[in-house]
Amino acid sequence: SQQGEEDPQALSIQEGENATMNCSYKTSINNLQWYRQNSGRGLVHLILIRSNEREKHSGRLRVTLDTSKKSSSLLITASRAADTASYFCATDVNQAGTALIFGKGTTLSVSS
Amino acid sequence: NAGVTQTPKFQVLKTGQSMTLQCAQDMNHEYMSWYRQDPGMGLRLIHYSVGAGITDQGEVPNGYNVSRSTTEDFPLRLLSAAPSQTSVYFCASRPDSYSYNEQFFGPGTRLTVL
Repeated sequence: SQQGEEDPQALSIQEGENATMNCSYKTSINNLQWYRQNSGRGLVHLILIRSNEREKHSGRLRVTLDTSKKSSSLLITASRAADTASYFCATDVNQAGTALIFGKGTTLSVSS
Repeated sequence: NAGVTQTPKFQVLKTGQSMTLQCAQDMNHEYMSWYRQDPGMGLRLIHYSVGAGITDQGEVPNGYNVSRSTTEDFPLRLLSAAPSQTSVYFCASRPDSYSYNEQFFGPGTRLTVL
């Protein structure tokens, strides 16, 4: 079974708008990561937030983590057409972080 | 560095055939892993490895074998292909370091089993 569940499954917005995606997970974590996948391509790491952090920023990305609710959110501000992609949250399969367990993803479509 | 490379990019098999998907990385990463991605789904972990000679099962290991004889290579073997194994397969690696958790992904192998 997959650890993370993203919500919504699909999101369509206009350029310039903000996009918010949510992720819920089941077990305790050391950290949570977000990845982007453009259509037909591999995954690209966006940002990692550790369990003792509540919020993290990277450029137009803002990630929050609520360990009491076992949830995280990814906010993309001032979206661009180039942000069109699928976004996945992922948590470590074990304490060592050898591999990841992914959610099913949110497909974001940004139209100009 | 070439990063994580996967071959082939595309493959068509008949039911019952066997084949090996190749994965190599030139970053001297200890951790490597294999995932499959079905349409509309996230990635599901098949097998992973913490170093040469050590492998473990992930979420969906049935029908797949792995071995890790070198740090660089982590091949995935399909013993007797089934249509349910039609998927896109991704290999990933990361260094053995608590301070560095990012996984580096290969471009994927698109496999169709008829």
